[in-house]
Amino acid sequence: EAQVTQNPRYLITVTGKKLTVTCSQNMNHEYMSWYRQDPGLGLRQIYYSMNVEVTDKGDVPEGYKVSRKEKRNFPLILESPSPNQTSLYFCASRAGAHNEQFFGPGTRLTVL
Amino acid sequence: AQSVTQPDIHITVSEGASLELRCNYSYGATPYLFWYVQSPGQGLQLLLKYFSGDTLVQGIKGFEAEFKRSQSSFNLRKPSVHWSDAAEYFCAVGDILTGGGNKLTFGTGTQLKVEL
Repeated sequence: EAQVTQNPRYLITVTGKKLTVTCSQNMNHEYMSWYRQDPGLGLRQIYYSMNVEVTDKGDVPEGYKVSRKEKRNFPLILESPSPNQTSLYFCASRAGAHNEQFFGPGTRLTVL
Repeated sequence: AQSVTQPDIHITVSEGASLELRCNYSYGATPYLFWYVQSPGQGLQLLLKYFSGDTLVQGIKGFEAEFKRSQSSFNLRKPSVHWSDAAEYFCAVGDILTGGGNKLTFGTGTQLKVEL
């Protein structure tokens, strides 16, 4: 089944404790993105990647890192999480510019 | 910078009534436009997209949208709403310069409630 998977689905952590949210897709898509969703703000793009080793900042990249060492995986790294990064995070992938973007199920992160 | 405005935060319609959700965008050229739907606790699903050509676009679940360049709008419509359409709807614009929409900017969403 074609899908985007994220782990963990739920995470409660404390300020400053490094964490990684994994994202994997099995569709051989070149493009991948990370978004955060906050009430009243919609989805905001954090980072995106157009291929292996090619990443760029979205609208809200501060406090986040990403890597794209292989095509299927696009982890989101929070080196020192803060409470304002409490949010619902979505990973997405697409085959190309004119193709549908597939979203993962989301990761709900709470930073205390 | 590109931006999207969805002026209606909440909309309530009766089942069987018609629906129009508004979306206005700001972008310097012909944009790539999308409508997504998010059911409670779920990810986002693409309803339809516009890249070029016919300005009236048909999507899944009976939805359609019309691109109006003069009004910078891409409103979503459905002639007869079903109770299962209750969800949150997001309009998005893609940046052509970064590969045709990989950099997506979303609106803040419109929550649709359907009264039986």
